[in-house]
Amino acid sequence: DAGVTQSPTHLIKTRGQHVTLRCSPISGHKSVSWYQQVLGQGPQFIFQYYEKEERGRGNFPDRFSARQFPNYSSELNVNALLLGDSALYLCASSLPTGGNEQFFGPGTRLTVL
Amino acid sequence: LAKTTQPISMDSYEGQEVNITCSHNNIATNDYITWYQQFPSQGPRFIIQGYKTKVTNEVASLFIPADRKSSTLSLPRVSLSDTAVYYCLVGERNNRLAFGKGNQVVVIP
Repeated sequence: DAGVTQSPTHLIKTRGQHVTLRCSPISGHKSVSWYQQVLGQGPQFIFQYYEKEERGRGNFPDRFSARQFPNYSSELNVNALLLGDSALYLCASSLPTGGNEQFFGPGTRLTVL
Repeated sequence: LAKTTQPISMDSYEGQEVNITCSHNNIATNDYITWYQQFPSQGPRFIIQGYKTKVTNEVASLFIPADRKSSTLSLPRVSLSDTAVYYCLVGERNNRLAFGKGNQVVVIP
């Protein structure tokens, strides 16, 4: 079975632009979470979606938004990009009863110039 | 969310058992202890999870004392491929993971 997939792998944007990152969960997983990992730090929780509804949100500004589609794939959108948004963006999927056992994708490396 | 404290880094020789400690003095009653492993340029990988006493799976053991204010991840007979960052997380089982800076473990030949 395929693991969690994310696209694109790498992305370069300039300040003020908008970006959309995509994630496909493992088949059968209905919960998707997004994390931001800045170099040298652990991942920071951004959003959690389950059955197309937002179930949790981390301490991120409103420039960050996400949604989950009927096929359980998900998009993370970031508006008005700042230099500080440069990071590895990770998507993770899990079973509803996963209990903190999440399966992470390889991430999307975003560079904001 | 409970805060965790881990050593920043540690070295170990290949073939040895590695014990990685984590302090979580303000752990709550509903909190579980979860460990993840992360290699460079990859997403974290779930290792093990426990609530109290000892949990063992095919890759690691997790020891949790009665007061649950700390935990120890034990990796038996490490190899060079076990070089990674290891994260200790404490929280409810709601899949909203709170990662700290983790512990860089380097396995030396």
